[in-house]
Amino acid sequence: DVKVTQSSRYLVKRTGEKVFLECVQDMDHENMFWYRQDPGLGLRLIYFSYDVKMKEKGDIPEGYSVSREKKERFSLILESASTNQTSMYLCASRLRQGRTSGRAAGELFFGEGSRLTVL
Amino acid sequence: AQSVTQLGSHVSVSEGALVLLRCNYSSSVPPYLFWYVQYPNQGLQLLLKYTTGATLVKGINGFEAEFKKSETSFHLTKPSAHMSDAAEYFCAVRPNSGGSNYKLTFGKGTLLTVNP
Repeated sequence: DVKVTQSSRYLVKRTGEKVFLECVQDMDHENMFWYRQDPGLGLRLIYFSYDVKMKEKGDIPEGYSVSREKKERFSLILESASTNQTSMYLCASRLRQGRTSGRAAGELFFGEGSRLTVL
Repeated sequence: AQSVTQLGSHVSVSEGALVLLRCNYSSSVPPYLFWYVQYPNQGLQLLLKYTTGATLVKGINGFEAEFKKSETSFHLTKPSAHMSDAAEYFCAVRPNSGGSNYKLTFGKGTLLTVNP
């Protein structure tokens, strides 16, 4: 089974702190994603990476950056945390388009989430 | 461009009753469609998906959904609700071709409550 592991389930940080959220997947997936989940807003894409050292902005990248130095690891960075970044953060991964077929086509595998509170 | 609308942010049913969660989409190209479920304090997991072929797709836990192109809908149903179905459900869409095919767009979610 695919496993996507997020390093911290719960974090509490102070305004202005630098925050790292780590995500590791063990199935050799090329594509990795960071979403933010807020009540009534669903999931919104922050950044995604389609391969090592590749990254592309999603719908709400402001205040965030990412790092993908190794294929299995995708990090989300909050350079200076603010209270409006209090949220649930979800990491996901997927096989690259062209390596998928049938049942696997397009399926995202999610981690259990990291709930961040910024005070 | 693509978007997803889930009608009803909260649906409440009795145990044993029909579950119907509505999803409408817009997409400029033929879509792939997905339903994901999120149990409390967990990540999302795939319930079912439509890519090509049969428009009625069956998923896990007795759920199914029908792709209706003419109505741009992909509603999720289950004949008889169980207490364990209480969760939040997300509909999602992505194009089946083109340069942006790696981007999945989610609806805002529907919270399903099952009453004893």
